[in-house]
Amino acid sequence: DIQMTQSPSSLSASVGGRVTITCRASQSISTYLNWYQQKPGKAPNLLIYAASSLQSGVPSRFSGSGSGTDFTLTITSLHPEDFATYYCQQSYTTPLTFGGGTKVEI
Amino acid sequence: QVQLQESGPGLVKPSQTLSLTCSVSGASISSGGYFWSWIRQHPGKGLEWFGYIYHSGSTYYNPSLKSRVTMSRDTSANRFSLKLTSVTAADTAVYYCARGEAGTNKFDPWGQGILVTVSS
Repeated sequence: DIQMTQSPSSLSASVGGRVTITCRASQSISTYLNWYQQKPGKAPNLLIYAASSLQSGVPSRFSGSGSGTDFTLTITSLHPEDFATYYCQQSYTTPLTFGGGTKVEI
Repeated sequence: QVQLQESGPGLVKPSQTLSLTCSVSGASISSGGYFWSWIRQHPGKGLEWFGYIYHSGSTYYNPSLKSRVTMSRDTSANRFSLKLTSVTAADTAVYYCARGEAGTNKFDPWGQGILVTVSS
């Protein structure tokens, strides 16, 4: 299975600030990488697919980059509703696997 | 707007079979280009993918769970199901159903999730 490692596991940030989350795959996955946001008690919500494509309806302050084994999710100008847990998911091969999550806290 | 809704018992006894159903509205589970999955999340933990049932009816199961998992579908009712046998406390989790898109393998949308507790 492809292992997905996210860092950091948690971080503190401020409203209006900038956040960068890293996801590393245990082998090359080209750009087959998706990002999700999950708020407490809710299902994950797709933000970014194919490493850098913004899902319809997702604010442009979210962006993704990377290829191969190293990927980043960047949130510019944090809004209060952005405080949540973020997961990466490799979509390169089965079994599809997720990272352990990064909790963004105030 | 595509919506998914999980249903099933919230409490299952150890060694029994967990059975969940996902009802889909706004899209046909037989439509090409998509697959239908189950994903679970242990309390306070990450996400684990069970596998999929494709629009054609073919299935793939995560090898880590394969021996205990069966997915099926009812196209007339536009829903698909999960059966997980021989459950233990380690199977206590929130179970989500989700639509996957072939090619990108992205999951969108998801159901709201259902908490299943395994306890006697």
